Amino acid sequence: GENVEQHPSTLSVQEGDSAVIKCTYSDSASNYFPWYKQELGKGPQLIIDIRSNVGEKKDQRIAVTLNKTAKHFSLHITETQPEDSAVYFCAASKGDDKIIFGKGTRLHILP
Amino acid sequence: DSGVTQTPKHLITATGQRVTLRCSPRSGDLSVYWYQQSLDQGLQFLIQYYNGEERAKGNILERFSAQQFPDLHSELNLSSLELGDSALYFCASSVSAVMGALANEQFFGPGTRLTVL
Repeated sequence: GENVEQHPSTLSVQEGDSAVIKCTYSDSASNYFPWYKQELGKGPQLIIDIRSNVGEKKDQRIAVTLNKTAKHFSLHITETQPEDSAVYFCAASKGDDKIIFGKGTRLHILP
Repeated sequence: DSGVTQTPKHLITATGQRVTLRCSPRSGDLSVYWYQQSLDQGLQFLIQYYNGEERAKGNILERFSAQQFPDLHSELNLSSLELGDSALYFCASSVSAVMGALANEQFFGPGTRLTVL
């Protein structure tokens, strides 16, 4: 079955700098790649997603890139702010509603 | 607020006991998903129901079962509880794509924290 690997598990960046989280997936049939943000005490919330027919998608300070050949996708957060501190999960799906999540990256924004 | 509700928020029980977690999906969503989140395992998919029928199974133990009722709310039953079952249990809902179509966004509830003593 599908396996999603996520790195790093913890990331600390200075406020205003950029943060990058990387994921790889195993099933070449996967075609939907969402990213979720989980704040303390809350459930995960979708922040951006990308489908396999595009290579990049951007929403304000957040962007996601997808390399289908390498089975690799990444989340980029620019101009980081304190409220970006959270756990981020990447995920992959074959379009059958079942979504497989990575183990998460704890992002710390340092003042 | 995602529109997905889960009760109770916290649950403390003893080993060997049985508990029921409840989830109400967003209005109009037909699919409900259950996930287990423990400290070192991230989000583990347990099971999905679509319009009352089981749709997909993940790493769900035989001691665990779920169902979705005609009003689309869902319950996750955990029995013969063990210390290792202590975790956050999340419910998510989505409109749900027709089989084979692209996956839809899942909206997560606030979770139920289960502590087994």
